[in-house]
Amino acid sequence: QSVLTQPPSVSAAPGQTVTISCSGSSSNIGNNYVSWYQQFPGTAPKLLIYDNYKRPSGIPDRFSGSKSGTSATLGITGLQPGDEADYSCEVYDNSLSAVVFGGGTKVTVL
Amino acid sequence: QVQLVQSGAEVKEAGASVKVSCKASEFSFTGYDVNWVRQATGQGLEWMGGMSANGGNTYYAQKFQDRLTMTRDTSINTAYMELRSLRSDDTAVYYCARLICGGECSRRRYFDYWGQGALVTVSS
Repeated sequence: QSVLTQPPSVSAAPGQTVTISCSGSSSNIGNNYVSWYQQFPGTAPKLLIYDNYKRPSGIPDRFSGSKSGTSATLGITGLQPGDEADYSCEVYDNSLSAVVFGGGTKVTVL
Repeated sequence: QVQLVQSGAEVKEAGASVKVSCKASEFSFTGYDVNWVRQATGQGLEWMGGMSANGGNTYYAQKFQDRLTMTRDTSINTAYMELRSLRSDDTAVYYCARLICGGECSRRRYFDYWGQGALVTVSS
């Protein structure tokens, strides 16, 4: 049972938009910065979003992040077949004194 | 370019120990914390702990406190993660990752580079 709650899966047709939620609490998302990672099967996670909404160099602006209260959201616009992957949120939890990850969300392009 | 290259897959018996290495290229561990994260098949990512940039401090997730040790050899720019008393539920891919902190590290931090992962299989 993850401290951060994500939907197990989301899906949409090519060109559409998907959003992935990450629900936490005041001890984590509510007071700290959220990151998002993209992971293809059999490969290491890749940083997608940091500081709630910033994108590393090379990440297309189709990917966006936001935070409100104790929840964060990852958005993917103009969905492409190559976006099929698992997406995980991550943040530091002050009560646990530990880094916590969401359970991951599998994005399927229909 | 920045790279983290990990050691290969390991098969261990229950009760044994495993030591996974993580060699850094194009940056020095003396300038960054390195953390370790694991992932069991079909499961989410699980943070294990890390070592500070100056090597003077290690911090472990509570569940691993009594059987996890992180070390490094700065002469070869390599970090190590040793897990003892292995159990079948320790079977997972183990990743090292470079930590970036912006100011207060507990508030504003993320992992910008990851190793390729090392599969550890524990047989009971």
